[in-house]
Amino acid sequence: DTGVSQDPRHKITKRGQNVTFRCDPISEHNRLYWYRQTLGQGPEFLTYFQNEAQLEKSRLLSDRFSAERPKGSFSTLEIQRTEQGDSAMYLCASSLASEPRTSSKGELFFGEGSRLTVL
Amino acid sequence: SQQGEEDPQALSIQEGENATMNCSYKTSINNLQWYRQNSGRGLVHLILIRSNEREKHSGRLRVTLDTSKKSSSLLITASRAADTASYFCATVPNSGYSTLTFGKGTMLLVSP
Repeated sequence: DTGVSQDPRHKITKRGQNVTFRCDPISEHNRLYWYRQTLGQGPEFLTYFQNEAQLEKSRLLSDRFSAERPKGSFSTLEIQRTEQGDSAMYLCASSLASEPRTSSKGELFFGEGSRLTVL
Repeated sequence: SQQGEEDPQALSIQEGENATMNCSYKTSINNLQWYRQNSGRGLVHLILIRSNEREKHSGRLRVTLDTSKKSSSLLITASRAADTASYFCATVPNSGYSTLTFGKGTMLLVSP
């Protein structure tokens, strides 16, 4: 078990381009979360999955953002038509919940993040 | 939106001193957690305290929770330069999904 891994670690793109981030959670974890963090702020919740089902999405997740977890293992977060305001660290975390649609109530294990810079 | 508010925003101390960080939150919680983040890295879970607990210890960490005041404190005793990091409190609500909501964090600098 190597923990939560994210790829790429850094991405520099021009405004208007699409970017995709990948997250591989801890293998036995059934919950996967995406957070966004800007400089000097705490992580802000974007969305989370229980297995392959996307159970909750923040209103921060505009139409340009889409997340998938097709087989209940790895997840991708795609940002279309990037804007300068999308520049941030995108953090993925995973946890183990015993039953669907109930709180895991436990700790989250975070990856090292994917830093996006939109020029 | 961010539920927790940490205080102070920044704290600078010498090695060996104790560091105390406070967190206030707004809604009823199931548990409160503290995380640490080194610059440019991911977050690492430190400790979890449930709503029916008042104090918890883990090594040099001591966490208290006062649900009547909706506040928590994290005490790091005998600090080391390696404790330099940002510290975040995060809450899990009592109802609904378990989306962990973070505060803005306290940046701790421990000088040798």
